[in-house]
Amino acid sequence: KAGVTQTPRYLIKTRGQQVTLSCSPISGHRSVSWYQQTPGQGLQFLFEYFSETQRNKGNFPGRFSGRQFSNSRSEMNVSTLELGDSALYLCASSAWDRLGNEQFFGPGTRLTVL
Amino acid sequence: AQTVTQSQPEMSVQEAETVTLSCTYDTSENNYYLFWYKQPPSRQMILVIRQEAYKQQNATENRFSVNFQKAAKSFSLKISDSQLGDTAMYFCAFKDNAGNMLTFGGGTRLMVKP
Repeated sequence: KAGVTQTPRYLIKTRGQQVTLSCSPISGHRSVSWYQQTPGQGLQFLFEYFSETQRNKGNFPGRFSGRQFSNSRSEMNVSTLELGDSALYLCASSAWDRLGNEQFFGPGTRLTVL
Repeated sequence: AQTVTQSQPEMSVQEAETVTLSCTYDTSENNYYLFWYKQPPSRQMILVIRQEAYKQQNATENRFSVNFQKAAKSFSLKISDSQLGDTAMYFCAFKDNAGNMLTFGGGTRLMVKP
C-alpha cells in the first residue's frame, strides 16, 4: 500500500500570498488530519476531515482552511500569508474503524514565507 | 483542554544501553489513548507504541516499552538495547475519544552514540 503523500514538498511564498497544500491519504482511509510543526510552537493540530466534513478544528485563525474531496484527498489553504506561517505542514490519515487507531503521517510540506 | 509535557528536550545514550523518555499529561477524561511517535531527521513521523488508558498492562513493542501510570498521569518510554537508528525526535501524544486530534508534547531529541 502506498503511504500518505503530500504535494508539494517544498514551497516558497511571499507575505500576503495564498497557498494550497495537498494530501492524499492511504487508500481506504477516510480521516485526514493536518498539523503545523514549528520550532517555537511544536506540533499543533489544525483540523480533521472525515467523509468531506470537518470533524475537529484547532485554534488557528480563519486564514487557515481546508476541505476534503469524495476520494478522501484533502487540501488546506492559507490566505494572506504571514512570516509566522513558515512551518512544516504534516498530513496524517487513519481508518475510522475504531478509536485509538494509528495515524499515518506524510513527509510534510515545508512552507517558507519571505 | 489536554496538555502534554516532555521535560527532557535532549537526551543521549550509548549504543546498546537503555534510555527512558518522560512524558506527563493533564486531562479530565477517563478514556483516552497515548502514543509515542518517532521523527527521524528529515524523515516521516512513525508510530512507536500506543497505550489505551483502560488497559492496565503496559504496552510493549520489541525493544520499546512504556510505563503507564494513570493516577500520576505519566507515560514514559523505555528503549532497550539502543541502536544508532533510534536517533530521532520522540513525541508523546494524547488522543481522547472525540476524534483523531492528537495533542503533542514538545518532543525529546534523542541521540544514540556509537
